[in-house]
Amino acid sequence: GQQLNQSPQSMFIQEGEDVSMNCTSSSIFNTWLWYKQDPGEGPVLLIALYKAGELTSNGRLTAQFGITRKDSFLNISASIPSDVGIYFCAGRNNFNKFYFGSGTKLNVKP
Amino acid sequence: NAGVMQNPRHLVRRRGQEARLRCSPMKGHSHVYWYRQLPEEGLKFMVYLQKENIIDESGMPKERFSAEFPKEGPSILRIQQVVRGDSAAYFCASSPRQPNSGNTIYFGEGSWLTVV
Repeated sequence: GQQLNQSPQSMFIQEGEDVSMNCTSSSIFNTWLWYKQDPGEGPVLLIALYKAGELTSNGRLTAQFGITRKDSFLNISASIPSDVGIYFCAGRNNFNKFYFGSGTKLNVKP
Repeated sequence: NAGVMQNPRHLVRRRGQEARLRCSPMKGHSHVYWYRQLPEEGLKFMVYLQKENIIDESGMPKERFSAEFPKEGPSILRIQQVVRGDSAAYFCASSPRQPNSGNTIYFGEGSWLTVV
């Protein structure tokens, strides 16, 4: 089956630092999505990418859909304490099935 | 979470009982997905449904688990004869009708099942 490798698994950073995380796939996806999940809540969509090479921003967040269609990254600039949470990447294949990475747990020290 | 409604939010069942989790998709969405999440882990695909049709159930355990999305009413994930290992958060997500357009999926708040 398709595998999504997300890294890093966890990060401990200082407030104000930039953050980068990425996902790679063994197969091609036609959509890449990034979600954030807070404890006890459902994942909330941050950014959606629909074309290879697409670079999209949402405030301090920037994500890119890799040219090979097998990878994507998410950057967070100037992190703040409320950025704490688990970030998931997801890819959609041609059969409209969505696969999720195992998550990156972000900790921000004030 | 963009209008996907799940209930109950929290459910406690004794071993051997049945658990029924309900999901009403966003308005206008006709595709529903169920995912399971164990503590400190990612989201594992279980099943993908359209109204009155199971599209992909490759992630569903072969026994005790079933899902439906009837013409009227919410999607139901049913777990019979629950065991302790079924304790997890179950998330429903929905997406719009056209699978080949630039669409995405939106999640509900989740249903936390605890088996005692």
